[in-house]
Amino acid sequence: AQKVTQAQTEISVVEKEDVTLDCVYETRDTTYYLFWYKQPPSGELVFLIRRNSFDEQNEISGRYSWNFQKSTSSFNFTITASQVVDSAVYFCALSEDQGGGNKLTFGTGTQLKVEL
Amino acid sequence: GAVVSQHPSWVICKSGTSVKIECRSLDFQATTMFWYRQFPKQSLMLMATSNEGSKATYEQGVEKDKFLINHASLTLSTLTVTSAHPEDSSFYICSARQALLGAADTQYFGPGTRLTVL
Repeated sequence: AQKVTQAQTEISVVEKEDVTLDCVYETRDTTYYLFWYKQPPSGELVFLIRRNSFDEQNEISGRYSWNFQKSTSSFNFTITASQVVDSAVYFCALSEDQGGGNKLTFGTGTQLKVEL
Repeated sequence: GAVVSQHPSWVICKSGTSVKIECRSLDFQATTMFWYRQFPKQSLMLMATSNEGSKATYEQGVEKDKFLINHASLTLSTLTVTSAHPEDSSFYICSARQALLGAADTQYFGPGTRLTVL
């Protein structure tokens, strides 16, 4: 069975600090997909990134970057120079089929609070 | 692109009544939609997978007679909470799968519906 663990329940940082959100996953499949979603207070989940198990290249998108390491089954998310608007709950998720077209298993989420 | 809407965004109803929630993919066709439930400060729990033109597949522990799902078209799925009770109060979120040729599928989520049963 697949499982996603986000050990950090809540993180508080001061604006402009860098912050890393951890995600560790478990799966028996060799083909799988990992995701990060952002859930602001409004409740809507915003898709941030999808990564397949064969692509271990790190990715950077503006202030966001992701570090995928199969050796440690981790897919960590770093926000550089955090801003108040980054305050949200961030979910890591795993899918074993079709890149997320089938079931997604979510972690428990990390509440990020960015303060002035 | 890839916008999913839900209606209503919030609803308050009396115990014993039924509530219908709509999920629409606005700019793509979704053969598969998913319904999730989220309690305060908790993660999303998948309730059921809805396939256009066929019966929904429910997760273990989800009562199919209580949570009726209909996926009548490629852009619309509905969730009806029948005979709602206070314990059904929750945040219900739908997602729609966008199938892309030559690329991995992705689920896009609606804004959610907050149901309060008095």
